[in-house]
Amino acid sequence: QVQLQESGPGLVKPSGTLSLTCAVSGGSISSSNWWSWVRQPPGKGLEWIGEIYHSGSTNYNPSLKSRVTISVDKSKNQFSLKLSSVTAADTAVYYCARKGCSSTSCYIDPWGQGTLVTVSS
Amino acid sequence: NFMLTQPHSVSESPGKTVTISCTRSSGSIASNYVQWYQQRPGSSPTTVIYEDNQRPSGVPDRFSGSIDSSSNSASLTISGLKTEDEADYYCQSYDSSNGVFGGGTKLTVL
Repeated sequence: QVQLQESGPGLVKPSGTLSLTCAVSGGSISSSNWWSWVRQPPGKGLEWIGEIYHSGSTNYNPSLKSRVTISVDKSKNQFSLKLSSVTAADTAVYYCARKGCSSTSCYIDPWGQGTLVTVSS
Repeated sequence: NFMLTQPHSVSESPGKTVTISCTRSSGSIASNYVQWYQQRPGSSPTTVIYEDNQRPSGVPDRFSGSIDSSSNSASLTISGLKTEDEADYYCQSYDSSNGVFGGGTKLTVL
């Protein structure tokens, strides 16, 4: 079964760029799925960040679109998130996940374990 | 763009039935399928309902989902409540290609 694992710095300075990678195991990133990023500020709800298909097609949350880049590396079976110009409001647990789609619908599953990124000087 | 609004919290006793609502702010609730995710403390979310009312394998039939066009809302119903059901529950849908989550509902089983 597919498993996902996030990795990256746990601390980022304000105005810097948050960079995370999600390694996919147990399946190919080139399968017919989208690969998603979702975040959760401490004690708060889930926020959809965006997603990428193995072809490189992306969809981003309009509220974050100007700062977000999601990319895919098929040779390493992984995808990545970059969020620029970060502030304390970007402090959150960041999850990577697969969005699986049938002929009629899509849903996000499974999810990685999540990684806490703190924005602080 | 639309928003999904959930009650902040609900509570019920073991063995009882609870329903969590998810109201869509604009556009028809029937326009895009609704998913429900369970997040236990310290854990990643898992899917309990997809496509409005479908259960992934392994999810007990105590969990059910529905939509109501008259109230433009989706609902998650959990019957025969168990203490292990205590968790945060999030509804989710897609606005064109963009994901939208509800604010989450904390279920307390007391």
